[in-house]
Amino acid sequence: DSGVTQTPKHLITATGQRVTLRCSPRSGDLSVYWYQQSLDQGLQFLIQYYNGEERAKGNILERFSAQQFPDLHSELNLSSLELGDSALYFCASSVAPDIYEQYFGPGTRLTVT
Amino acid sequence: GDSVTQMEGPVTLSEEAFLTINCTYTATGYPSLFWYVQYPGEGLQLLLKATKADDKGSNKGFEATYRKETTSFHLEKGSVQVSDSAVYFCALSVRSGGSNYKLTFGKGTLLTVNP
Repeated sequence: DSGVTQTPKHLITATGQRVTLRCSPRSGDLSVYWYQQSLDQGLQFLIQYYNGEERAKGNILERFSAQQFPDLHSELNLSSLELGDSALYFCASSVAPDIYEQYFGPGTRLTVT
Repeated sequence: GDSVTQMEGPVTLSEEAFLTINCTYTATGYPSLFWYVQYPGEGLQLLLKATKADDKGSNKGFEATYRKETTSFHLEKGSVQVSDSAVYFCALSVRSGGSNYKLTFGKGTLLTVNP
């Protein structure tokens, strides 16, 4: 158990809908990262937050957004969902953005039908 | 840009066989290198790491040596067990701006160990 929690574990929704994925980092970790894992693209970095502020962006679509709250939990919002958004979404955390060791949550499996 | 190439799977071995999963990388700057493991239904776990050339990372019988001259970080284990069945990801981390570090992953190699 990494100490990173993600909810929900599974999510099934229809095209065009909007969903929110939630992540709680390990106790004491201030930095949160979001990744998308799909069969064709592999594991892709989406976005990073540190202490409530966005720090880095990867291959994140404009339809996707995220935020980190004062209690350090983070939410990833996915809107206007398409079939191709079906994937595993992982959250990871680290103590600080300059610490390269990241601890991953169990993931949320999103299925868009 | 930064990239990681690892051998495509799936890899199927018998228990107690020798394992090698090849990994090579391209990076700007001086990366740190990692192997992560993903067991069925779980998130990724850090298996081992190496932060400079000729470093050897090791954990749970797995080893990998940071080879700068060949830009490689091959994963090895002398005798695999059924419980090692998982997907293995090679990854590198470089400073991406300011004090941030960005992880770049390979596509993963599925290992199945049969009794």
